[in-house]
Amino acid sequence: KAGVTQTPRYLIKTRGQQVTLSCSPISGHRSVSWYQQTPGQGLQFLFEYFSETQRNKGNFPGRFSGRQFSNSRSEMNVSTLELGDSALYLCASSLGQPAYNEQFFGPGTRLTVL
Amino acid sequence: AQSVTQPDIHITVSEGASLELRCNYSYGATPYLFWYVQSPGQGLQLLLKYFSGDTLVQGIKGFEAEFKRSQSSFNLRKPSVHWSDAAEYFCAVGPLFKAAGNKLTFGGGTRVLVKP
Repeated sequence: KAGVTQTPRYLIKTRGQQVTLSCSPISGHRSVSWYQQTPGQGLQFLFEYFSETQRNKGNFPGRFSGRQFSNSRSEMNVSTLELGDSALYLCASSLGQPAYNEQFFGPGTRLTVL
Repeated sequence: AQSVTQPDIHITVSEGASLELRCNYSYGATPYLFWYVQSPGQGLQLLLKYFSGDTLVQGIKGFEAEFKRSQSSFNLRKPSVHWSDAAEYFCAVGPLFKAAGNKLTFGGGTRVLVKP
């Protein structure tokens, strides 16, 4: 079974631009979560989507948004990029039901904002 | 709010020696507990998890962890480390309630360096 894939793996943008990152979960998984990893703040939860609905949200500004498609693939978007948005963005997928299920992480997208 | 503390930012251990990584959590009840490992340039790989039951949990790659409710701790151990164990290790707690979904709260991580 193929793992979680994230595209692109690396991205360089400039301040003020916007960016879209993509995550394809493991087949059969309906939940996709996004995390931001930075040296200063560590791993922080952004949001989770389950069956195309946002089920949980972390404490990030509205510039960070996401969505999930009917095939469970998910995208996250960051608008008006700031230097502090430079980070590794990790996506994790799981079955989503019932209760808590193990999450499987992708390799991440490394975003650099110049 | 729940929080996870990993007191050791860096640990250096000799190959073949034992390893123990500390993790303490702050929570109203016993949460789901996890240890993940991240190699450079990679995503996170689950080493082991504790949901309930036996407080000594066996994981992959020869790792084990012990849950101690009285100390709110979930320390990770390995009897004999290999050079390939050099990586960053994260302790995490999951939600208590089904409605909270799959949100994980991570500790700050411990970077392990293995000396030959």
